[in-house]
Amino acid sequence: QVQLQESGPGLVKPSQTLSLTCTVSGGSISSGSYYWSWIRQPAGKGLEWIGRIYTSGNTNYNPSLKSRVTISVDTSKNQFSLKLSSVTAADTAVYYCAVEWLVDEGFDYWGQGTLVTVSS
Amino acid sequence: EIVMTQSPATLSVSPGERATLSCRASQSVSSNVAWYQQKAGQAPRLLIYGASTRAAGVPDRFTGSGSGTEFTFTISSLQSEDLAVYYCQHFNNWPPIFTFGPGTKVDIK
Repeated sequence: QVQLQESGPGLVKPSQTLSLTCTVSGGSISSGSYYWSWIRQPAGKGLEWIGRIYTSGNTNYNPSLKSRVTISVDTSKNQFSLKLSSVTAADTAVYYCAVEWLVDEGFDYWGQGTLVTVSS
Repeated sequence: EIVMTQSPATLSVSPGERATLSCRASQSVSSNVAWYQQKAGQAPRLLIYGASTRAAGVPDRFTGSGSGTEFTFTISSLQSEDLAVYYCQHFNNWPPIFTFGPGTKVDIK
């Protein structure tokens, strides 16, 4: 079965760019027709979908974050990535990568999540 | 923008009893609703998609129903391991966006 693992800096300074990578194992990111998403969760709060990238490279973003978000895919490394620019303390959260693998319009596989803190 | 609301915010249920959670959409969303379970310190787990279809490996004590604007998630006989926060989620086809409800915390009484 497919497995996802987030990686990246746990601390980012305000106004800088948050960069995270999700490494996929147990399946090829370039085969099939899948949507690969990023979702975040501030401590003690609910889930917020950030955006997704299709196998073909097409992207969809949450309108509330669209101006600051870029999601890309590196098929050679079986990874997809998130960049969030101009971060503030409000961007402090656990960031998850997830995939619509066997299910349409739902996330059936998730990474374990990685905490990113925005602080000087 | 479609807003998903959930009630109650917290639900205390005794082991073996039924737990009923509600999710309401601000406008009709057909059957495009999923339900997730999130235990403390863990990633969410997909339980239900398409409003009523159980994901692979999900026990049959978990049931989803509803369409339009009103959705219900039921745990028929609560087990101690069901202590978690449960989220509903909608996918809007255009513009493509996933929206989560604020969650219902299920406590064991």
